[in-house]
Amino acid sequence: QKEVEQNSGPLSVPEGAIASLNCTYSDRVSQSFFWYRQYSGKSPELIMSIYSNGDKEDGRFTAQLNKASQYVSLLIRDSQPSDSATYLCAVGTGRRALTFGSGTRLQVQP
Amino acid sequence: DARVTQTPRHKVTEMGQEVTMRCQPILGHNTVFWYRQTMMQGLELLAYFRNRAPLDDSGMPKDRFSAEMPDATLATLKIQPSEPRDSAVYFCASGLVITGRIGEQFFGPGTRLTVL
Repeated sequence: QKEVEQNSGPLSVPEGAIASLNCTYSDRVSQSFFWYRQYSGKSPELIMSIYSNGDKEDGRFTAQLNKASQYVSLLIRDSQPSDSATYLCAVGTGRRALTFGSGTRLQVQP
Repeated sequence: DARVTQTPRHKVTEMGQEVTMRCQPILGHNTVFWYRQTMMQGLELLAYFRNRAPLDDSGMPKDRFSAEMPDATLATLKIQPSEPRDSAVYFCASGLVITGRIGEQFFGPGTRLTVL
């Protein structure tokens, strides 16, 4: 079992819809959770961090964390074609380096 | 505008040559990471430094790769001798560990390495 699992996609949504990206992790004591966006040929860009159970909103993005279910998700409201990218989930445990998932490719259809 | 910088951005070399990649972390960050990304393997951690001390280099082929932080403003990753299978994008990232928990981590633009 991979430590951080994501559906590779592609996840295709129409413009204006809500895109829902999911991530599960295996280490129960993980404390730090991040979502990165990576455009083709570019470096990963941090878009959300979450440390406590519940929802965290930032503009069109909402991160949701459920530690009991070992599940973290990212919702993108009013999806735009410019949101088309690969989204990487990263999980931190203590002071250890982050563990990254393999990413979900999102395609927003105009 | 604080950001991680990396040089060179592109490198083409021949098999057997030494390659040195450099990274300047964000001022004040106490952790530095080197990653390698390929289509097949995704993002792989090569090395992790905290307060300039190496903490984890288990992902790095020790016979040919070496990573150092000669000072707080410079991290280096060297490959000697380079091989075609080393062709990849190499990212440096920096961040903070505070109160025993790893925090946000920011990536540099990467070095695209091609070994012929």
